[in-house]
Amino acid sequence: GQQVMQIPQYQHVQEGEDFTTYCNSSTTLSNIQWYKQRPGGHPVFLIQLVKSGEVKKQKRLTFQFGEAKKNSSLHITATQTTDVGTYFCRYGQNFVFGPGTRLSVLP
Amino acid sequence: DAGVIQSPRHEVTEMGQEVTLRCKPISGHNSLFWYRQTMMRGLELLIYFNNNVPIDDSGMPEDRFSAKMPNASFSTLKIQPSEPRDSAVYFCASSRGTGGYEQYFGPGTRLTVT
Repeated sequence: GQQVMQIPQYQHVQEGEDFTTYCNSSTTLSNIQWYKQRPGGHPVFLIQLVKSGEVKKQKRLTFQFGEAKKNSSLHITATQTTDVGTYFCRYGQNFVFGPGTRLSVLP
Repeated sequence: DAGVIQSPRHEVTEMGQEVTLRCKPISGHNSLFWYRQTMMRGLELLIYFNNNVPIDDSGMPEDRFSAKMPNASFSTLKIQPSEPRDSAVYFCASSRGTGGYEQYFGPGTRLTVT
């Protein structure tokens, strides 16, 4: 069956450093979604990617869908303490969430 | 607009007791999802409904778990009898449809079974 991997599992960065998390699938995906969950909070939708090679930006966040539609990345430029949380990918045609990448930002 | 509403926010109960979690989806959304989140297993889909009909309950752990959606604005997740390993945060989410629609999550119910 389809397997979802996210790397890294944890990431500790100094405020101002960049951060990237990757979501990799064993099979081609129709689309991918990214969510953020703050500590003690609930997952919040960030963005959806549909097209091969698609790149979308939200302020300091850049999302990319691979050409083969088997992987995706979320890149944060110049992290801030408000970026702390766990970032999940979710594959749209089923409802499996990746295991998440937990980001901590040291001030 | 109000988001997804869940109650109670916290529940502490003793092993063997029945627990009922409640969810009110966003008005106009026709898909509803129940998830369980633990450190060990992450975010697991338990069951989802489309137009009030259960579509996939393969994630429900065992017969102790049951879910209903009697109408478009209300759903329950029941655990009977509860066990300590059921301790987790239970999220309800809704969306405009299944598949490629974004999901809106409720604040969750933190369940502790002692």
